[in-house]
Amino acid sequence: KAGVTQTPRYLIKTRGQQVTLSCSPISGHRSVSWYQQTPGQGLQFLFEYFSETQRNKGNFPGRFSGRQFSNSRSEMNVSTLELGDSALYLCASSLAQPPNEQFFGPGTRLTVL
Amino acid sequence: KQEVTQIPAALSVPEGENLVLNCSFTDSAIYNLQWFRQDPGKGLTSLLLIQSSQREQTSGRLNASLDKSSGRSTLYIAASQPGDSATYLCASYGGSQGNLIFGKGTKLSVKP
Repeated sequence: KAGVTQTPRYLIKTRGQQVTLSCSPISGHRSVSWYQQTPGQGLQFLFEYFSETQRNKGNFPGRFSGRQFSNSRSEMNVSTLELGDSALYLCASSLAQPPNEQFFGPGTRLTVL
Repeated sequence: KQEVTQIPAALSVPEGENLVLNCSFTDSAIYNLQWFRQDPGKGLTSLLLIQSSQREQTSGRLNASLDKSSGRSTLYIAASQPGDSATYLCASYGGSQGNLIFGKGTKLSVKP
């Protein structure tokens, strides 16, 4: 069974631009969560979707948004990029709504210049 | 607010040594605790999941324990190998927050 996939793997953007990241969960998994990882803050929770509904949201500004489609694939969008948004963005899927075991993808490395 | 702490931040051991990584959490009302491994620049690989009703879980050379009353979990690695070199993260789910709360990790280096 294929694992969690994320595209693209690497992105370089400039300040003020917007970006969309994609995550395809493990087949049959209905919950998708997003995390931001930086050297200073570590892993921080962004949001979680289950059956196309946002169930939980972390403490990030409104520039960060997401959605989930009927096939459980998820996208997150960051508008008006700032230098501090440079990070590894990780997606995790689980069979049902957490607290089931979560499985992570390889991440998307975003660099904002 | 749940806080997860991992000590030490870095650890270097010779090959073959048995070692213990520590994880502590402030809110004992957790549903589960999960241990992950992260290689440089890569995503997280799930190692072990311990439900709140369990005391320990084992997978190969890895054994994780959970003591909710003291707010502690340990990951025991037997007969360490250079391939075990990575950052190990623990994360709790539950308490007052409906998402995984991560520690900052322990960077393990196993020397041949």
